[in-house]
Amino acid sequence: QVHLVESGGGVVQPGRSLRLSCAASGFTFSSYGMHWVRQAPGKGLEWVAVMWYDGSQTNYADSVKGRFTISRDNSKNTLYLQMSSLRVEDTAVYYCARGTGGDVLANWGQGTLVTVSS
Amino acid sequence: DIQMTQSPSTLSASVGDRVTITCRASQSISSWLAWFQQTPGKAPKLLIYKASSLESGVPSRFSGSGSGTEFTLTISSLQPDDFATYYCQHYNSYPYTFGQGTKLEIK
Repeated sequence: QVHLVESGGGVVQPGRSLRLSCAASGFTFSSYGMHWVRQAPGKGLEWVAVMWYDGSQTNYADSVKGRFTISRDNSKNTLYLQMSSLRVEDTAVYYCARGTGGDVLANWGQGTLVTVSS
Repeated sequence: DIQMTQSPSTLSASVGDRVTITCRASQSISSWLAWFQQTPGKAPKLLIYKASSLESGVPSRFSGSGSGTEFTLTISSLQPDDFATYYCQHYNSYPYTFGQGTKLEIK
């Protein structure tokens, strides 16, 4: 059974950095593209970033480009999101998701809350 | 970037009703469209992919249709567990984008 567990969220001041992790199990992690999606409190879903199964390609939403970096360690079955120069508007629950067959976001973790506040 | 627009934003309905939610893309996305259901405090759940394919384990009262720029999600007979927020999302090209959501409320 596919299991995704995010961690690393918390309260951080504007301008600081934070790294999120997503531990994967129940599938061959190195065979799937992985995504981050976020949801600000009371708002809709916003796609954030993707990394291909082998790490060869990444892509980002314009709102985080140049500030966030997605990475993965296939030997540890873990996806990461390094967030720098954080802004108040980055406050959200961050979900990791597995992309399957055509890159459908078929499986999601439970999310981790990031609060950017002074 | 491709913009996704859902309508309506809020929908009031009763158990047993048939409801339809519409999603429009700002340019053609072929059939690269998914629908998700989300309840408060939970992660989104995939219902439909490739516009009309039902995800395994999802009840058959959910169906999707459309291609190009116009898509619909239909629930044939609403059940109590269906009152939630629904999102469409394209995966035609990066960046992927979601519709703003449709909140399905009990009338």
